[in-house]
Amino acid sequence: ILNVEQSPQSLHVQEGDSTNFTCSFPSSNFYALHWYRWETAKSPEALFVMTLNGDEKKKGRISATLNTKEGYSYLYIKGSQPEDSATYLCATTIRSGGGADGLTFGKGTHLIIQP
Amino acid sequence: KAGVTQTPRYLIKTRGQQVTLSCSPISGHRSVSWYQQTPGQGLQFLFEYFSETQRNKGNFPGRFSGRQFSNSRSEMNVSTLELGDSALYLCASRDGTGAGSLYEQYFGPGTRLTVT
Repeated sequence: ILNVEQSPQSLHVQEGDSTNFTCSFPSSNFYALHWYRWETAKSPEALFVMTLNGDEKKKGRISATLNTKEGYSYLYIKGSQPEDSATYLCATTIRSGGGADGLTFGKGTHLIIQP
Repeated sequence: KAGVTQTPRYLIKTRGQQVTLSCSPISGHRSVSWYQQTPGQGLQFLFEYFSETQRNKGNFPGRFSGRQFSNSRSEMNVSTLELGDSALYLCASRDGTGAGSLYEQYFGPGTRLTVT
């Protein structure tokens, strides 16, 4: 994998259902994996930053896992609510001589929660 | 703390012109990064400035340049605008010092540039 890839591109979920989506990334020179939520007309909001293989992070109904050896991360949303509707972006930073480069983003998963 | 601010929020320019966008980071943050978002391409990294020096650079032509001032405010300049430069330009700030603070970036609301 050369780029950060997210799937699916879009997702319609019934309110109350749980859902998850995937971020795949190159595992070489990995430094950190970021998840952002981007609501329409707002700035991207950081959800999680993970660096270690096996990391799991949780914030309310949202959680994420990280596998740096195989190069993927999952984002889970439990009991989806209408306010969860947003584009979820995954991004990586890689190691470079200066520390870490800028974020490389996937194209996002556009989540729509249907009442 | 006030968040990241960007000015202007919207801009319309003509092909061939140049444009300057401004970003004021969160107080105390010394790193400012710029990103371009276009439909179908997602967010792409332009460059990062830290303590008035460009620290990292993405894969964009030399028409895209930036600078950072001693108060950490940053400007991005695009010369000889092309239609394809129409995009949302986001800046993000972070502390930028120490291993832990390399991680969190805080984004501004963006500048929507339309080139006609």
